[in-house]
Amino acid sequence: KQEVTQIPAALSVPEGENLVLNCSFTDSAIYNLQWFRQDPGKGLTSLLLIQSSQREQTSGRLNASLDKSSGRSTLYIAASQPGDSATYLCAVADDKLIFGTGTRLQVFP
Amino acid sequence: DAGVTQSPTHLIKTRGQQVTLRCSPISGHKSVSWYQQVLGQGPQFIFQYYEKEERGRGNFPDRFSARQFPNYSSELNVNALLLGDSALYLCASSLVGPWAFFGQGTRLTVV
Repeated sequence: KQEVTQIPAALSVPEGENLVLNCSFTDSAIYNLQWFRQDPGKGLTSLLLIQSSQREQTSGRLNASLDKSSGRSTLYIAASQPGDSATYLCAVADDKLIFGTGTRLQVFP
Repeated sequence: DAGVTQSPTHLIKTRGQQVTLRCSPISGHKSVSWYQQVLGQGPQFIFQYYEKEERGRGNFPDRFSARQFPNYSSELNVNALLLGDSALYLCASSLVGPWAFFGQGTRLTVV
């Protein structure tokens, strides 16, 4: 059974810091991995998708990597801003999305 | 182009009642999936429909049911509501490929 874990559960950093969010999964037989952002009480916004054959994807200040052999993905956020404050969820896809419990990020001015 | 739309945005129901949640996918998307997100947890898969046929079902009781219409919109029904059904219900649509786009969710409170 696929299990997805995200560490840390919460993170508070000053504005401008570069930070790394971690996601690990137990079964490497995945189609892809997605990173989502969720603001309180809201739906999910897709940030990045990495196909199983890819190693990384970049969008603006965000970079996500995937290492299937070790069952890990990282989301790198450069030069963090208060507007980045949200919960970040990773999800692995086999025939459905399996989510981690998220990392709650707070960036303070 | 409109994104995934869900209705209603919030509702309050009493234990034992029945509820219907609605989802309209992005235009051209034929696959709709439903997820339940309890406070503080990641979303849990409930159903997936593609071309009006059920393609997957998560570990939820038979009180949960869904269907997809010819225009690819979908409804999620929950019967005999329990307090534990209180959650944010999310709908996601996708074309054929792997990208999943989520709606803003329906916040269900069971009292």
